[in-house]
Amino acid sequence: SQQGEEDPQALSIQEGENATMNCSYKTSINNLQWYRQNSGRGLVHLILIRSNEREKHSGRLRVTLDTSKKSSSLLITASRAADTASYFCATGHFTGANSKLTFGKGITLSVRP
Amino acid sequence: KAGVTQTPRYLIKTRGQQVTLSCSPISGHRSVSWYQQTPGQGLQFLFEYFSETQRNKGNFPGRFSGRQFSNSRSEMNVSTLELGDSALYLCASSLEGGASSYNEQFFGPGTRLTVL
Repeated sequence: SQQGEEDPQALSIQEGENATMNCSYKTSINNLQWYRQNSGRGLVHLILIRSNEREKHSGRLRVTLDTSKKSSSLLITASRAADTASYFCATGHFTGANSKLTFGKGITLSVRP
Repeated sequence: KAGVTQTPRYLIKTRGQQVTLSCSPISGHRSVSWYQQTPGQGLQFLFEYFSETQRNKGNFPGRFSGRQFSNSRSEMNVSTLELGDSALYLCASSLEGGASSYNEQFFGPGTRLTVL
């Protein structure tokens, strides 16, 4: 079963606008990561936030984590057409032999030029 | 540094056949994980290999198996293929072992498997 669930499932915005994507999860985590996937290709790691962090920035990306609400958000500022892709949140669970990353089903972001 | 490579990129098989997919991790990476991606189920974890040993396993039937060689290259095998096995199979490598191997995974482009 999926641990992370992204919201919305699809998002369409105009170039230059900000895009906000949300992720909720159910159990405790060690970290939460966001990945991007361009049409049928491999995933690219965007940013990682640890369970004891609340906010992290990387270029035009800003990630927040609220462990009390078991939720995270990814903000892409000043979006570009090249940001069009699917975005996945992945929760990291480290319990020895059961350590793994669990991915959500993804958000399809379309940025109109 | 070369990225993660997967071969073949596309594969067409028929039901009942078996298939072997290959993954070469980034040089120096010792952990290789495999995922299955389908429109309906999304990305699902298959298994992870580290230093030639399977360290973690997802909830897939025994028809799905894998192995890792001493050079960290990994293969996964699916026997007795079913229509539902049609998917994009992704492998990902990471540098270190243990929990830190999940800090960032580098993905290959995937193998698109179609089962007819």
